[in-house]
Amino acid sequence: AQSVTQLGSHVSVSEGALVLLRCNYSSSVPPYLFWYVQYPNQGLQLLLKYTSAATLVKGINGFEAEFKKSETSFHLTKPSAHMSDAAEYFCAVSPYGGSARQLTFGSGTQLTVLP
Amino acid sequence: NAGVTQTPKFQVLKTGQSMTLQCAQDMNHNSMYWYRQDPGMGLRLIYYSASEGTTDKGEVPNGYNVSRLNKREFSLRLESAAPSQTSVYFCASSEWGLFGSREDSTDTQYFGPGTRLTVL
Repeated sequence: AQSVTQLGSHVSVSEGALVLLRCNYSSSVPPYLFWYVQYPNQGLQLLLKYTSAATLVKGINGFEAEFKKSETSFHLTKPSAHMSDAAEYFCAVSPYGGSARQLTFGSGTQLTVLP
Repeated sequence: NAGVTQTPKFQVLKTGQSMTLQCAQDMNHNSMYWYRQDPGMGLRLIYYSASEGTTDKGEVPNGYNVSRLNKREFSLRLESAAPSQTSVYFCASSEWGLFGSREDSTDTQYFGPGTRLTVL
């Protein structure tokens, strides 16, 4: 069984501040991990994914995430928040060797960027 | 490429009415999915189809039926809508099909813009 926990359903940061969105996973086998972003009234867009090639993964819009097996974490970061980063962010997991239909999503974190 | 498209964008139904949500993708993907999104619960898989002519239940299939009309299209039907089905519905597609599973890679899902459904 696999699951994802996103700590903090709402996160607020000031423009220019560090963005840190937390994701911890539980999986019986080594997982693949994803971060998706959802802008208001839109579908989900893939930000980045971890597929075991490298523990530090760079995505679009300046975001990156680091896979830490010892902490079972895959936190999303961005050095400097921009107003356009305001959105909901979802962490998701699928098992190693599995297919996308086994994707399990976290409950989401709403990011607010304050001017 | 339009990617994944969904119709309608918004819909209001009365309890007991039926309707079909349409989804199409132009990426020649093998697998397609229907999710529902409810506040604080992330996305939950309703049904998926790994190839034309096959469908399988996901986490929350009760009250829904699906049809994989062809490789491009995957529809979701509510036969008798209930207020508990008020939600935002997302369709997604991914490249791999029925036998698409490799240990050195992973499939990626691409999402449509969603249908906001209210059942009164």
